[in-house]
Amino acid sequence: GENVEQHPSTLSVQEGDSAVIKCTYSDSASNYFPWYKQELGKGPQLIIDIRSNVGEKKDQRIAVTLNKTAKHFSLHITETQPEDSAVYFCAAPPMFSGGYNKLIFGAGTRLAVHP
Amino acid sequence: IAGITQAPTSQILAAGRRMTLRCTQDMRHNAMYWYRQDLGLGLRLIHYSNTAGTTGKGEVPDGYSVSRANTDDFPLTLASAVPSQTSVYFCATSPTSSTDTQYFGPGTRLTVL
Repeated sequence: GENVEQHPSTLSVQEGDSAVIKCTYSDSASNYFPWYKQELGKGPQLIIDIRSNVGEKKDQRIAVTLNKTAKHFSLHITETQPEDSAVYFCAAPPMFSGGYNKLIFGAGTRLAVHP
Repeated sequence: IAGITQAPTSQILAAGRRMTLRCTQDMRHNAMYWYRQDLGLGLRLIHYSNTAGTTGKGEVPDGYSVSRANTDDFPLTLASAVPSQTSVYFCATSPTSSTDTQYFGPGTRLTVL
């Protein structure tokens, strides 16, 4: 089955610096890779996703890159701001989900942006 | 438009008690999900429903049951709560069972003593 590993578990940066979070997955047939942001006391919110037919996708200060050969994808946040502080989760679906929309989540990265 | 609402926001429960966590959506999404979130373990799927009238088991279904009588509601029941069910519970939806994107509710923090 699909296994998703996420690194690092915690990340501390200065405001204005860039932050990169990386996830690796095991199922080579996976074709959809979302990233979620979870602020304290709230549910995860989808911030960006990428499908296997593209290598990179950008949305303002955030971008996701995908390397299907190496089976990893990364979240890049540029010009970080204190409001970027949150827990970030990656996810990937296995090829055989058993008949439902299955997502396997990474364990999460706690990002702290210091002013 | 509220999106996904969950109730209660938090609850402290004695072991052995029965508890139902409520989830309601107004997006008319066909598929709904229940996850639990534990520190260091990320999000794990408990049960899912592809459409009203159908349900299925996720990764960690033991001790939980669900029903889907209509499109909007997807309650999660703990028949006899145990301390290991202390967790934060999230309800999620997706437009269809084959749509990858999932949208999450605000969560219910449950403590079982």
